[in-house]
Amino acid sequence: KAGVTQTPRYLIKTRGQQVTLSCSPISGHRSVSWYQQTPGQGLQFLFEYFSETQRNKGNFPGRFSGRQFSNSRSEMNVSTLELGDSALYLCASSVDGGGNQPQHFGDGTRLSIL
Amino acid sequence: QQQVKQSPQSLIVQKGGIPIINCAYENTAFDYFPWYQQFPGKGPALLIAIRPDVSEKKEGRFTISFNKSAKQFSLHIMDSQPGDSATYFCAARDRNSGGYQKVTFGTGTKLQVIP
Repeated sequence: KAGVTQTPRYLIKTRGQQVTLSCSPISGHRSVSWYQQTPGQGLQFLFEYFSETQRNKGNFPGRFSGRQFSNSRSEMNVSTLELGDSALYLCASSVDGGGNQPQHFGDGTRLSIL
Repeated sequence: QQQVKQSPQSLIVQKGGIPIINCAYENTAFDYFPWYQQFPGKGPALLIAIRPDVSEKKEGRFTISFNKSAKQFSLHIMDSQPGDSATYFCAARDRNSGGYQKVTFGTGTKLQVIP
C-alpha cells in the first residue's frame, strides 16, 4: 500500500508570492491534516479536512488555507509569503481522524522563502 | 502556548544504554498520547501510543510510562542501538467542540546513540 505522498519535495519562493502544496493520502484514508515544522516551534497543527470539509483549525493567519477534493487529496495554499513561512510542511492522513487510528505522515515539502 | 512540554532537547547515550525522554501536559482533555520517531529527510512515524487509563505499555524495546495524576509520560528505549538515532516527539490528542481530533506535539528530542 502506497504511503502518504507530498509534492513537490522542495520549493523555493520569494516574499510576496503564493504557493500551493499537494498531499495524496493513503488509499482509503479520508482525514488529512497539515502541520508546519520549524526548528524553533516544532510541529504545529494547521488544519484538518475530512470529506472535503475543514473540521479543525490551528492558530495560523488566514494566509494559510487548504482544501480537500472528493478523492481525499488535499492542497494547502499560502499567500503573500513571508520569510518566517520557511519550514517543512507535513501532511498526515488517517482513516477518519477519530478513535485511536494513527496518523501516517508524508515526508513533507520543504519550503524556502528568499 | 506550549501544551506539551518535552525534555531534554537532546540526548547522547552509549549503545546499550536506556535513554529516557519526558513529557508533561496540563490539558486534562487529552485522551491519547502517541510517540513519533523522525529520521532526517523523513516525516514522523508512529512508534508507540498509550491511553491515560494505562500506566505502562511496551512494544519491543520501546516502553511508555504514564502518570495520570502527575500529568507526565515518558519514553524509555531499552538496549538502544545506533539505528535508534533520530528525533523523538511526544504528542497528545484532544478534540474540538465538534468531537474531531487535534494533535499537539512536543518540541522534540534529538537522540544520538554512540556505538
